Order: sequence, then structure tokens, then C-alpha cells
Amino acid sequence: DTGVSQDPRHKITKRGQNVTFRCDPISEHNRLYWYRQTLGQGPEFLTYFQNEAQLEKSRLLSDRFSAERPKGSFSTLEIQRTEQGDSAMYLCASSLARGFSEKLFFGSGTQLSVL
Amino acid sequence: DAKTTQPNSMESNEEEPVHLPCNHSTISGTDYIHWYRQLPSQGPEYVIHGLTSNVNNRMASLAIAEDRKSSTLILHRATLRDAAVYYCILSRNYGGSQGNLIFGKGTKLSVKP
Repeated sequence: DTGVSQDPRHKITKRGQNVTFRCDPISEHNRLYWYRQTLGQGPEFLTYFQNEAQLEKSRLLSDRFSAERPKGSFSTLEIQRTEQGDSAMYLCASSLARGFSEKLFFGSGTQLSVL
Repeated sequence: DAKTTQPNSMESNEEEPVHLPCNHSTISGTDYIHWYRQLPSQGPEYVIHGLTSNVNNRMASLAIAEDRKSSTLILHRATLRDAAVYYCILSRNYGGSQGNLIFGKGTKLSVKP
């Protein structure tokens, strides 16, 4: 299966620690997105990359959050000095943009619990 | 950003058709209508999308009203595996990307055997 993969699936950390998540998109996809989802809510957009360039960031992405996509392949999302409010499912999606039609393929997410 | 309105929940019987409604009265001419679904403990899954004309694929059909202010996702024969939260989303080209999707709470579909 060559879908979007995310690692780890679950992460438990203590408040104040730094965490890093990895996303491996579908290989030929040029766009990569990060979303966050809390219990009972729909996913919320955080940021996206076209190849290695980060083109848009949501106001939800505080200074403690940083995302990278070196060489336009896999991406990492780092959260520094985690807070309990950061507890959520972090979803990665990728797409191959063609014209005006874009279809996102999501991974299964990384569930973060901050104690 | 244009908003969508969906019922919180719906029930269906297995092997019967399901019509999931979505209202988007403030849709603009360039907004695409997307449907994604999310099964428990999984990321969202693309179902279908369209602009003006009705669309069909192997998963579902999308019926778009003539004034585009509403649409209906049609599952022709519901199975137990179709039980999920279904999201109706509008997207427009923003900086060349349609991937900044604004998800609402969606419709939770239950399928009874």
C-alpha cells in the first residue's frame, strides 16, 4: 500500500516537552498538508507545502509549532514546549494538484496526548 | 469563507439508498463542493467533488441543485462499512490550492443491519 503514512500513531508526552511527528506522502504528490482534529470536531487546517515551500500557515499554528518538508518529500511537524491544549489528532494529507481539481489523501494520523 | 450546513446525524438501513443533504446558500461561482468521510480511528477519505454538474464515481453520486445552494451525496446501497462522519466542504482556489478545507462537524451516518 502506498498511501500516506504517519509516524508515530500515538504519542504521550509531558507538558513542556518537545515532540516531532513525521509524514510520508504518496510519492508523486507535490502538495502536503497538516491538519489538527480534536474530539468531536472536524479537522482544522494548519499549514501546507508545495514541494519544499511552505505556502500557507493558519493562525492556529502558534510560534511553538514548526513544519518542514526538506527536498519536497517527507514532512515533519514539531511542537515545542507542549501544552495540554495541544492534545489532538494530527493529520497529514497529500495531493497531486492538477488544474482546478484537487483531491486530498489523508493518513491515519498521530494521536498526541499531553499530560 | 462560505459555510455549509448538514444534519448532525442520520440513520439508514443496510442495502438501502442514503441521501445526505448539504446546504451552502452563500456559495460563490468558483467554489467546488467536496465530500469526505471519516471512519472511526481513521483520517478523512475523499468521496467525491463537483462544481456545477452532477457527478458519479464508484463510491457515490453527487447531485448539485441548479442554483448550487444545496447538494446531496447519494450512497446507492448503504453497507455497514459506510457508517462514518460525512463532511460537505466548499473550497476555492486560494493561492493555487484547494486543500485548505474548512471542515464542519459533518453528518454522522449510522447503518443498521
